[in-house]
Amino acid sequence: DAKTTQPPSMDCAEGRAANLPCNHSTISGNEYVYWYRQIHSQGPQYIIHGLKNNETNEMASLIITEDRKSSTLILPHATLRDTAVYYCIVRGPISGNTGKLIFGQGTTLQVKP
Amino acid sequence: DAGVIQSPRHEVTEMGQEVTLRCKPISGHNSLFWYRQTMMRGLELLIYFNNNVPIDDSGMPEDRFSAKMPNASFSTLKIQPSEPRDSAVYFCASSTHLGYSNQPQHFGDGTRLSIL
Repeated sequence: DAKTTQPPSMDCAEGRAANLPCNHSTISGNEYVYWYRQIHSQGPQYIIHGLKNNETNEMASLIITEDRKSSTLILPHATLRDTAVYYCIVRGPISGNTGKLIFGQGTTLQVKP
Repeated sequence: DAGVIQSPRHEVTEMGQEVTLRCKPISGHNSLFWYRQTMMRGLELLIYFNNNVPIDDSGMPEDRFSAKMPNASFSTLKIQPSEPRDSAVYFCASSTHLGYSNQPQHFGDGTRLSIL
C-alpha cells in the first residue's frame, strides 16, 4: 500500500480555513485517498474520500493533485470542535490490501480562538 | 441512525481474567473490523470479518486473543488470560462491501480496557 506523509501538527485560527496537506507519492491508480479524524476519547470519524476528482461534502473538501501524489483536506470554517488528529490514508482494492485502513501518526490540528 | 455500538465503554480487571468486548455493527453492513489503539503503536487492525467469516486475523497479537461473529449483528473480541500489556482502547468498525475500497468504515466509540 502507498504510504502517506503528513505534518505532525498544525494550528488554525477559529473561523479560518484549515488546510491539511498529505503526500502520497507512491499511490497507484486504483487506490483511494481517505481522511479520518479522531477527537479525543472518541473513535475515528470518517470525513471524506476520493480517487481522482475533488470532492466536497458537508464536513470538508478534498483536493487531489492531477498527478495524485498529494492531496489537501480543507475545513472551510474551522471551529474549536474541529481540534483533532487528522489521518490521511491510502486504501487499495480487495486484491491489494483487502480493504484495510492503515493509520499513520496523522496531523494534530489545534484550532485556537 | 444508530452507529456502531460497543460495550462496555470501560473495563478494568485484574490480569489473568477473561475479558470480552462486544460490538454491534451498523445494520446492513457486512464487514466488521476490530482495531486496537495504544500510545506506542497507534491504531492497528487486529482482525476483520466479511459476511460473518474471518478474512484476515494476522493482526491478532497472540493466541490469547480470539474473535467471533456468530451473526450479522454481533461480534466479540475475547482475551484470555488478560495481561497488563493488553491495556488499550479497542475499536470496532463496520462497512458495506468489503470488496470495494470506496466504502468507508464507520467506528464505534471504543472500549477502554485496563488490565491491572
